[in-house]
Amino acid sequence: GAVVSQHPSWVICKSGTSVKIECRSLDFQATTMFWYRQFPKQSLMLMATSNEGSKATYEQGVEKDKFLINHASLTLSTLTVTSAHPEDSSFYICSARSTGGGFSPLHFGNGTRLTVT
Amino acid sequence: AQSVTQLGSHVSVSEGALVLLRCNYSSSVPPYLFWYVQYPNQGLQLLLKYTTGATLVKGINGFEAEFKKSETSFHLTKPSAHMSDAAEYFCAVSENNNDMRFGAGTRLTVKP
Repeated sequence: GAVVSQHPSWVICKSGTSVKIECRSLDFQATTMFWYRQFPKQSLMLMATSNEGSKATYEQGVEKDKFLINHASLTLSTLTVTSAHPEDSSFYICSARSTGGGFSPLHFGNGTRLTVT
Repeated sequence: AQSVTQLGSHVSVSEGALVLLRCNYSSSVPPYLFWYVQYPNQGLQLLLKYTTGATLVKGINGFEAEFKKSETSFHLTKPSAHMSDAAEYFCAVSENNNDMRFGAGTRLTVKP
């Protein structure tokens, strides 16, 4: 089945530094990837839609300059949290949909737990 | 825009008992509906999905869900709960195979 690999699985960084999270589709090509944020005991909130070769589409209220998304190839999207602060601490999850015709469900990575100290 | 409401943030059942997790949706077009399961500190795993066709869909681990258009519901059931079913369950809706919106989630606890 389709596999999405997310790296790192957890990261601790100091306030003011930047952190990059990678999302790779291992055995399929994904023109579109999605980035979600999940707070403890809450649901997933869509942050942005990442489109290969073009700018990401951000949801209302998500700072595009803080959460930089790059989708340079059909198998890789990255999310960079710039100048991280403690309130950015959260669980970030990416997902991808294969490019095949017809319907295809989203496949999720295992998430990245970010802790900003 | 599509949305999902999951009734009950926490459901507790005994091992062997019926599992019923409720989900109601709102969509302006015929929806795609999903149930995902999440174990602690992990991503989401697809349990089952409804796109078109048969309204009763069967998924992995013995789960199934029925799409009821008249009730705008997509409740998840399993005849007999197992300890390993304890997890967080999310119902989700997608319009036109675009982005997906999730419900708030239901935490399932299984008592021995």
